[in-house]
Amino acid sequence: TQLLEQSPQFLSIQEGENLTVYCNSSSVFSSLQWYRQEPGEGPVLLVTVVTGGEVKKLKRLTFQFGDARKDSSLHITAAQPGDTGLYLCAGETETSGSRLTFGEGTQLTVNP
Amino acid sequence: GAVVSQHPSWVICKSGTSVKIECRSLDFQATTMFWYRQFPKQSLMLMATSNEGSKATYEQGVEKDKFLINHASLTLSTLTVTSAHPEDSSFYICSARALLGYTFGSGTRLTVV
Repeated sequence: TQLLEQSPQFLSIQEGENLTVYCNSSSVFSSLQWYRQEPGEGPVLLVTVVTGGEVKKLKRLTFQFGDARKDSSLHITAAQPGDTGLYLCAGETETSGSRLTFGEGTQLTVNP
Repeated sequence: GAVVSQHPSWVICKSGTSVKIECRSLDFQATTMFWYRQFPKQSLMLMATSNEGSKATYEQGVEKDKFLINHASLTLSTLTVTSAHPEDSSFYICSARALLGYTFGSGTRLTVV
C-alpha cells in the first residue's frame, strides 16, 4: 500500500482556473515537501512544511500542512501554462530515517 | 544552494553491456545519497540508499547484483547497471540531503537496445 496517497493523478484545466492537489496518509510526517518536475529533469523543491497547521505561500501557490501532520494540500490560483508539470509530495516519518516517501504524483496540464 | 550534478543526462547502450551513472554533490558533502527510478508520468521509486564508506541499502525487490552502487567519497556516488536489458530502460535520478533539504540530480535517461 502507498504510504502517501496523492490525488488527483491527472488534471487538465484551462488557464485562469484554480486547482487543489491533495496528499494524504495514515502516518505522521516530521516534514513534508512538495516538488515540481518537468520532463527529463529532476524534481525541484517548492516548499517544505514541518509544523502542523502550517500554511506557506509561494506567489500563486498555497501549501497547507494538516494539524495532525498526516496530510497536505497544494492550491494553485489562476493557473498558467507555465505551471504544467508533475507535482510530487514527499515526506519523512519519525521512523523512516532520512528516506523520503513519495506520493504517486499529479500530472497537471494547463491549457492556454 | 546545494547542487547535485548527475551524468550522463542520457545514454543508449546495447543489451548485455554495463552503464555507469555518476552523482556528485558540488558544494556540500553527502554521506548518504539516494537512487531512484522513474517511469513515464509516474512518481519516483526509491531503489537504494548509498552510504559513504559502507554497503548500500537496497529496497525490497531491487537486485543488488544488477544495480551496483559505490559511494567511495563524500561527494560521489555511482550506480552501475550491469548486463543491461531493455526492461532496465528508465529514468534514473539521484538525490542527497543538504542543509536545507533534499536536492536532486537532473536525471539520466537510460535506453537499452
